[in-house]
Amino acid sequence: EVQLVQSGAEVKKPGESLKISCKGSGYSFTNYWIGWVRQMPGKGLEWMGIIYPGDSDTRYSPSFQGQVTISADKSISTTYLQWSSLKASDTAMYYCARRSSGSYLSEYYLDYWGQGTLVTVSS
Amino acid sequence: EIVMTQSPATLSVSPGERATLSCRASQSVSSSLAWYQQKPGQAPRLLIYGASTRATGIPARFSGSGSGTEFTLTISSLQSEDFAVYYCQQHNNWPPRWTFGQGTKVEIK
Repeated sequence: EVQLVQSGAEVKKPGESLKISCKGSGYSFTNYWIGWVRQMPGKGLEWMGIIYPGDSDTRYSPSFQGQVTISADKSISTTYLQWSSLKASDTAMYYCARRSSGSYLSEYYLDYWGQGTLVTVSS
Repeated sequence: EIVMTQSPATLSVSPGERATLSCRASQSVSSSLAWYQQKPGQAPRLLIYGASTRATGIPARFSGSGSGTEFTLTISSLQSEDFAVYYCQQHNNWPPRWTFGQGTKVEIK
């Protein structure tokens, strides 16, 4: 069974750093891209970026480039989303999701999702 | 950036009735369109990919259609568990510049 299990909720202060995780199991972790999606309170879904754990090739949405860092440790089947200096506006639920396999654009949907990590940034 | 516009924002439907949700892209995304369902407090779940293919385990009452810029998600006979928010997403580019619609909330009438 494919599973993406994310780390627990975090409460941080503005200016602090943070790294949240997403651990994959039940499939060949290194062969699937893993993306990150933000959902601010009461709002819709926003695409942040994606990483290929096999070689750590990473692509970012222009809206999030330079704001976050996505990384992976294939030895423990885990991807990460990190901030160096949090802002109150980073308060949101963050989801990781697996991009389906396939070679065509029409096959690049997100087939499995993690349960989400709630990040709260408040002074 | 490709803008995805969903309508209506809220759809009030009685159980057993048909629901029709629309998604429009600001430029053609071919058939690279997925639909997701999100219930309160839960992660999104893939319903439809390739504009019209049901994901594994999705009931046949869910169907998707369209291509290019106009897409539709139809729920033929709403069940209590179908009341949720539905998002469309285009994935027609690489490097990814994927975008979601703002969502349609399907609520009990």
